[in-house]
Amino acid sequence: EAQVTQNPRYLITVTGKKLTVTCSQNMNHEYMSWYRQDPGLGLRQIYYSMNVEVTDKGDVPEGYKVSRKEKRNFPLILESPSPNQTSLYFCASSLGASYTDTQYFGPGTRLTVL
Amino acid sequence: GEDVEQSLFLSVREGDSSVINCTYTDSSSTYLYWYKQEPGAGLQLLTYIFSNMDMKQDQRLTVLLNKKDKHLSLRIADTQTGDSAIYFCAETPGGSYIPTFGRGTSLIVHP
Repeated sequence: EAQVTQNPRYLITVTGKKLTVTCSQNMNHEYMSWYRQDPGLGLRQIYYSMNVEVTDKGDVPEGYKVSRKEKRNFPLILESPSPNQTSLYFCASSLGASYTDTQYFGPGTRLTVL
Repeated sequence: GEDVEQSLFLSVREGDSSVINCTYTDSSSTYLYWYKQEPGAGLQLLTYIFSNMDMKQDQRLTVLLNKKDKHLSLRIADTQTGDSAIYFCAETPGGSYIPTFGRGTSLIVHP
């Protein structure tokens, strides 16, 4: 089944404790991205990747890192999480970055930073 | 910067039509999208429209684009309880890979 998977789905952590949220897609997609969703703010893009070893900042990259060592995986790293990073995070992938390439979203990771 | 605005809530009776509206500010928008988010799930692309089109119809969904007024709407005919979800409008400015999403409209369908 074609899908985007994220792990963990739920995470409660404390300020400053490094964490990684994994994202994996099995559709051989080149384009992957991370979003955060906050109440009343919609989705905001954190980082995106056009292909392996190519990453770029989205609208709200501060406090996040990403890597794209393999085509299928695009982990989101929070080196020192803070409470303002409490949010719902979505990974997405698409065949390419063309406007008509459908983005497939993962199920989301709900992160709480205490 | 770019801005996409939507009303936050819409309540309709089952069987009626729903119209969800969206306005955007970026006149260079190339594609405009409608996504659906069901509870506990990620976003699912419903449909998109290219900026040189006025209308697109796909089964129960009709998208209307008024480029002059920068207004996009999604009409759902014969709305069902399964259509209850949050609907996001999004646009991709010309030359950008970073989509701008609206805040989402919660559609509530009641019997």
